[in-house]
Amino acid sequence: DGGITQSPKYLFRKEGQNVTLSCEQNLNHDAMYWYRQDPGQGLRLIYYSQIVNDFQKGDIAEGYSVSREKKESFPLTVTSAQKNPTAFYLCASSRLAGGVKNTEAFFGQGTRLTVV
Amino acid sequence: GENVEQHPSTLSVQEGDSAVIKCTYSDSASNYFPWYKQELGKGPQLIIDIRSNVGEKKDQRIAVTLNKTAKHFSLHITETQPEDSAVYFCAAIGGTSYGKLTFGQGTILTVHP
Repeated sequence: DGGITQSPKYLFRKEGQNVTLSCEQNLNHDAMYWYRQDPGQGLRLIYYSQIVNDFQKGDIAEGYSVSREKKESFPLTVTSAQKNPTAFYLCASSRLAGGVKNTEAFFGQGTRLTVV
Repeated sequence: GENVEQHPSTLSVQEGDSAVIKCTYSDSASNYFPWYKQELGKGPQLIIDIRSNVGEKKDQRIAVTLNKTAKHFSLHITETQPEDSAVYFCAAIGGTSYGKLTFGQGTILTVHP
């Protein structure tokens, strides 16, 4: 089955630690995205990548880092510089090729990160 | 950049009634408007989308309307069922945002049996 997989589902982090959230897709999508979701709020864009080895900051990139070494993978690292990291993190991917710039974004099931 | 406002934040209806959720956007160049349904603890799933060259789109009990002049779009769910209970998000992609979605704040829909 094609889809987008996030792991782990739940993650606990001690203050001062870096943690990495995994996101893998087998949809052959060009673009991948990381969103943060807080209670009662919409999704906010952290980072996005439209092509391998290239990525751009979203609206709330401070305290986060990403890499895009493979088309299928877009891991997100939450660094100790992120002061309020407890949230639900969602990864998404979409197809940008073929002359259709904006198409459906498919989401993973999310990772809930809690600082303890 | 694009800004999307969504109303209401909560909506409670009786089974069989209709539900309407409204969104406004700021970037007149926006050209793609999806609606997502999110169940508790899960990722959002697309339920319907509309492009700027279309005024209305329908898929069974769900419809979306777009008014480009007024820069607003709405989700209509008819004959609601308890399984429609979820959080619904509207989103828009701005003219220069190539794939990046800007989301509304979400609407918690509760359908009472």
